[in-house]
Amino acid sequence: DVKVTQSSRYLVKRTGEKVFLECVQDMDHENMFWYRQDPGLGLRLIYFSYDVKMKEKGDIPEGYSVSREKKERFSLILESASTNQTSMYLCASKSPRGAQGDTEAFFGQGTRLTVV
Amino acid sequence: AQSVTQLDSQVPVFEEAPVELRCNYSSSVSVYLFWYVQYPNQGLQLLLKYLSGSTLVESINGFEAEFNKSQTSFHLRKPSVHISDTAEYFCATQGASYDKVIFGPGTSLSVIP
Repeated sequence: DVKVTQSSRYLVKRTGEKVFLECVQDMDHENMFWYRQDPGLGLRLIYFSYDVKMKEKGDIPEGYSVSREKKERFSLILESASTNQTSMYLCASKSPRGAQGDTEAFFGQGTRLTVV
Repeated sequence: AQSVTQLDSQVPVFEEAPVELRCNYSSSVSVYLFWYVQYPNQGLQLLLKYLSGSTLVESINGFEAEFNKSQTSFHLRKPSVHISDTAEYFCATQGASYDKVIFGPGTSLSVIP
């Protein structure tokens, strides 16, 4: 059974703290993604990675950074947490597009982060 | 740039009634289209997808979607909804590079007993 695991379901942090959100997948996927989900805005891409140590900015990278030291692990870092980063964070992984077309993205359960 | 529009943010419907969730996309290239579902307090999971071939695709739980290139639409339909279909539904398409998945804002389906 395929699995994407996010380290925490719920997290409460103080303004200014450095926050690490961890994501691990066991499917040997090359591509991994971090999204944030907010009501009325859907899922917005923060960063994605298509290989170890490779990363690309998504649509809303400001205030975030990422780390991909190993293929199975993709970390999202909030350098200095702010209240406007209170949100649901979703990690996903997928294989690259193959000969048969695009492939399904697999999602973790999400981490609900509250910054106070 | 590719984008996805879901015009209905909330759709309430009575149990056993039909439902249609609308999705429109914009793209200048061939697209792959997806519907994902998010049940309460869970992550997203794939409901169905269109890659090529038949324009009508079906899911195992009775949903279907039709790819309409001329109208750039990929509406999701079910002839008779169940309470357990209450969820958030996201339409998505692939990005132009590096397999980015681009999501619409989502439609919250509420099935009323």
